[in-house]
Amino acid sequence: AQSVTQLGSHVSVSEGALVLLRCNYSSSVPPYLFWYVQYPNQGLQLLLKYTSAATLVKGINGFEAEFKKSETSFHLTKPSAHMSDAAEYFCAVSVTNTGNQFYFGTGTSLTVIP
Amino acid sequence: NAGVTQTPKFQVLKTGQSMTLQCAQDMNHEYMSWYRQDPGMGLRLIHYSVGAGITDQGEVPNGYNVSRSTTEDFPLRLLSAAPSQTSVYFCASTGQGLREQYFGPGTRLTVT
Repeated sequence: AQSVTQLGSHVSVSEGALVLLRCNYSSSVPPYLFWYVQYPNQGLQLLLKYTSAATLVKGINGFEAEFKKSETSFHLTKPSAHMSDAAEYFCAVSVTNTGNQFYFGTGTSLTVIP
Repeated sequence: NAGVTQTPKFQVLKTGQSMTLQCAQDMNHEYMSWYRQDPGMGLRLIHYSVGAGITDQGEVPNGYNVSRSTTEDFPLRLLSAAPSQTSVYFCASTGQGLREQYFGPGTRLTVT
């Protein structure tokens, strides 16, 4: 079975500080991994995705994530937080043997303190 | 391309009423799905479809019906609304091999 765990439902960082949002997955087969961002009252927008190519994935808005198979992790980072990064972030996994079914984590709400 | 569209944006129902949430995509994607989003629970899959005429249940299908008569449309029907169905509903689509899901803007439903 596939699942995603996001550690920390709420994360606060100061403007300019490092952003680190944690995601661990469980999958019996090689996964595809995604980070989505949701701004208030909006739908989900893809930040970045891992599809078995390079393990360090760069996304939009300066975010990146590293796939670590040994740790079953796909943590999201950004070197310097901006006020506009305040949003809800979701990690998701999709595996080939379930067609295109996605499994989402419960989300992490990021607050950026000026 | 409009991408994935959903109507209505907001809806208030009384307990026991029925309604249909509309979802359409113009990207010729085979795979479409419906999620509900509740605080602290992330997105939970309600129903999905891998192509016209083919649907299947997700994690929380009770109280909802779907059909897929065309590639473009994937409506979600609430048969008899209950307060527990108060939620934000998202429709998403994926093309074959693309892996990425494209989301609609959501429908905020309140059942009183």
